[in-house]
Amino acid sequence: EPEVTQTPSHQVTQMGQEVILRCVPISNHLYFYWYRQILGQKVEFLVSFYNNEISEKSEIFDDQFSVERPDGSNFTLKIRSTKLEDSAMYFCASSEGGFTEAFFGQGTRLTVV
Amino acid sequence: AQSVAQPEDQVNVAEGNPLTVKCTYSVSGNPYLFWYVQYPNRGLQFLLKYITGDNLVKGSYGFEAEFNKSQTSFHLKKPSALVSDSALYFCAVRDRNYGQNFVFGPGTRLSVLP
Repeated sequence: EPEVTQTPSHQVTQMGQEVILRCVPISNHLYFYWYRQILGQKVEFLVSFYNNEISEKSEIFDDQFSVERPDGSNFTLKIRSTKLEDSAMYFCASSEGGFTEAFFGQGTRLTVV
Repeated sequence: AQSVAQPEDQVNVAEGNPLTVKCTYSVSGNPYLFWYVQYPNRGLQFLLKYITGDNLVKGSYGFEAEFNKSQTSFHLKKPSALVSDSALYFCAVRDRNYGQNFVFGPGTRLSVLP
């Protein structure tokens, strides 16, 4: 069964460093998303991406965040200068259509020290 | 703006008993509604959705949910709970008129006791 894959599963970084979280969405999906979850609590929307551009972003997704689809399969989230409060589980998701269900990856646990 | 409420942080039920996990939503237009389940240290797993049509929708693992437009609710149900159903459950909404992102509720932890 097709699935969304994320790497790495766990990333530890020093405050101020740049990190790139990687995702391979399901191959025939057209919509891509990043969400984050802090300490197993609420799932927060960061950004959605369609047709090679950002379609929506939340207030959390400020200038230190960026997304890219560098080739036909990968979808990346970059955090330029990490802060302690960026520590969270980051989930990538993809969906076939703009209003169908999304399928989530297993997440990358980011720990900023 | 869209919002989702899950009024119970925790639901406890005995194995074999029916379970209900509650969800209410607020959208400006017509909603698309979803339930996801999260097991410890795992991603969100899609359970079921309401898009249009019958108000009672059936999903994975014997779960079902009933869309009630007048009460703006989409409660998750299962006739007979299993210990393996113990997990964190999230209700989510998309507003057809607003955008593509999912807005998630705060989650309800379900514990099924043997």
